[in-house]
Order: sequence, then structure tokens, then C-alpha cells
Amino acid sequence: QKEVEQDPGPLSVPEGAIVSLNCTYSNSAFQYFMWYRQYSRKGPELLMYTYSSGNKEDGRFTAQVDKSSKYISLFIRDSQPSDSATYLCAMSEISGGYNKLIFGAGTRLAVHP
Amino acid sequence: DADVTQTPRNRITKTGKRIMLECSQTKGHDRMYWYRQDPGLGLRLIYYSFDVKDINKGEISDGYSVSRQAQAKFSLSLESAIPNQTALYFCATRGTGNNQPQHFGDGTRLSIL
Repeated sequence: QKEVEQDPGPLSVPEGAIVSLNCTYSNSAFQYFMWYRQYSRKGPELLMYTYSSGNKEDGRFTAQVDKSSKYISLFIRDSQPSDSATYLCAMSEISGGYNKLIFGAGTRLAVHP
Repeated sequence: DADVTQTPRNRITKTGKRIMLECSQTKGHDRMYWYRQDPGLGLRLIYYSFDVKDINKGEISDGYSVSRQAQAKFSLSLESAIPNQTALYFCATRGTGNNQPQHFGDGTRLSIL
């Protein structure tokens, strides 16, 4: 079993829809949770960064962490065609002071006009 | 100019050849990482380095070696390439401190025939 599970999609939605992307994990030591966005032929870029449980909002994006259920989500409101990309969740625990990231496989999102 | 630069962007080579992928950064970060990305598997850590004299194996280091020539340069070598090393390779950097995210280059697409 993988440490981090993420539905690969693809997920196709109309412009303006609310998108929900999710990851589950098995390691209860994870404390830092991230969402990266990756456009075709580009490297992942950090979208959201949260520590421990709770919600964090940044513009149209909301990241949610539920440590009791080992479940994290990314919500995109008013989705735009420019949001079409692969979204990767990533997590880390403090291990010897070094934070090694464990990534999900990524969910491909397509937002059509 | 990109903060994390990878060369080459694309490479096709034959089984048994030695290959070097290079990464340079202008972010002034001490920590550098090499990942490979495969469909359905996400990003997996090959090697990481916290300074010029500190190099560590990741989860899939077999068949790879690295060299940290300077704080800004971290290269990945495949001594004798094999077809199952065909993948996207990403370099990343990170500043010190627990809340620092990793910043990625745009990757090298490597095909081994």
C-alpha cells in the first residue's frame, strides 16, 4: 500500500465549477501538507502549504486537512481553463530535522470553456 | 531567468550509455534534491544533499549517482542506462527551516532505447 493515495483522474469540469481534489495517507506522523500544480512540460509549483489540521484559503483555492481521518482536500472555486493541470499532493514529517516529501501520483484536471 | 535550471531538457540515448543530468540554482539554497516522475507513481526521491559534503540516498538510488560540485550545482548520473530509467527527472531546492517548500526545475525528459 502506498503511503499517499490520490485518484489520478482525469477530472473534467465546465468553467465556473467547484473542483474538489483529495488525497488520503497512512502515516500519522505527517505534519506538513502541500498542494503542487504542474502544467504540461513544466515542473511542479507550490500552490498551498498547511501545517497540521484545519483550513487555509488563498483566493479561489482552499486547502483542508483532517488529520483524524488522514485526508486532505484542495477546493478550487470558479474554476478557469487556466486551472487545467495536474495537481499533486505532498506531505512530510520531521525526520531527523530533514523534511522529505512524499508525493501522491497526481490528479489531472481539465476545465473546459 | 529560471531559479532552478535543468539541462538538457530532453535526451534520447541507448542502453548502456553513461548520462549526466545537470541542475543549477540561483536561489542560494543549501538543500537540493533529485526526483524521477513516472505515470501513476508520482515523484520519487533519488538522492538529496544538504550541503556540498552531505549527500544522502533516497528511496530509489540504485543505478544512479550524484555529485554536488558547488552549493549551486547538483548533477545526477546514470552510469549504464537501462530502459526502465526512462522517465521525467526533476531537480528541486529548498531553504533551511521547517516551513520552507521545495522549488522545482522544469525537468529533463529522458528516453533510453
